[in-house]
Amino acid sequence: GQQLNQSPQSMFIQEGEDVSMNCTSSSIFNTWLWYKQEPGEGPVLLIALYKAGELTSNGRLTAQFGITRKDSFLNISASIPSDVGIYFCAGQLGSGYALNFGKGTSLLVTP
Amino acid sequence: DAGVIQSPRHEVTEMGQEVTLRCKPISGHDYLFWYRQTMMRGLELLIYFNNNVPIDDSGMPEDRFSAKMPNASFSTLKIQPSEPRDSAVYFCASSPGGAAYGYTFGSGTRLTVV
Repeated sequence: GQQLNQSPQSMFIQEGEDVSMNCTSSSIFNTWLWYKQEPGEGPVLLIALYKAGELTSNGRLTAQFGITRKDSFLNISASIPSDVGIYFCAGQLGSGYALNFGKGTSLLVTP
Repeated sequence: DAGVIQSPRHEVTEMGQEVTLRCKPISGHDYLFWYRQTMMRGLELLIYFNNNVPIDDSGMPEDRFSAKMPNASFSTLKIQPSEPRDSAVYFCASSPGGAAYGYTFGSGTRLTVV
């Protein structure tokens, strides 16, 4: 599958701080999604993006579909301890393709 | 809805043994996906089905791996013979309309081959 480069690989922050992470690819995607995985569980869908430039929020989470269609960004505002987990970006190249996943950003939040 | 159900949650087996992982997708979801997760390679697609028919199996590592979906409510992933490098967490996911709708993942099966 097409490689998705996620950064940073890990983040260690204090409660209340804002968080930004991104995902880039050399390929154009027509759909971007963000997932969160907690220990011992499967990834859970947070936000889905379908159009270049689209900005979508889900509570304290905001994600954007990059204009070039080769990148996406996820921001978490006012982080709390339960935000701890691994955040994955995923992209779909086109209809009929399965999702390609990035390698994840591990987030640790200290009280 | 109970979500995507995978069994077993954990499996420890000896090299050379046959391993069968099971998945029950969400009722009404036409797509079923098998992924493998390791630290080194992340989440890799193994195979996916649409309406019980395998569509893309290019991610299946080799002939030791096989997957079936005999009906809309059940799928298996079999490894025979298993090898230590097969140790990973195997996830099943289902979707009502393909990737753009997002996937619902099961809790995974952690496979350890010793």
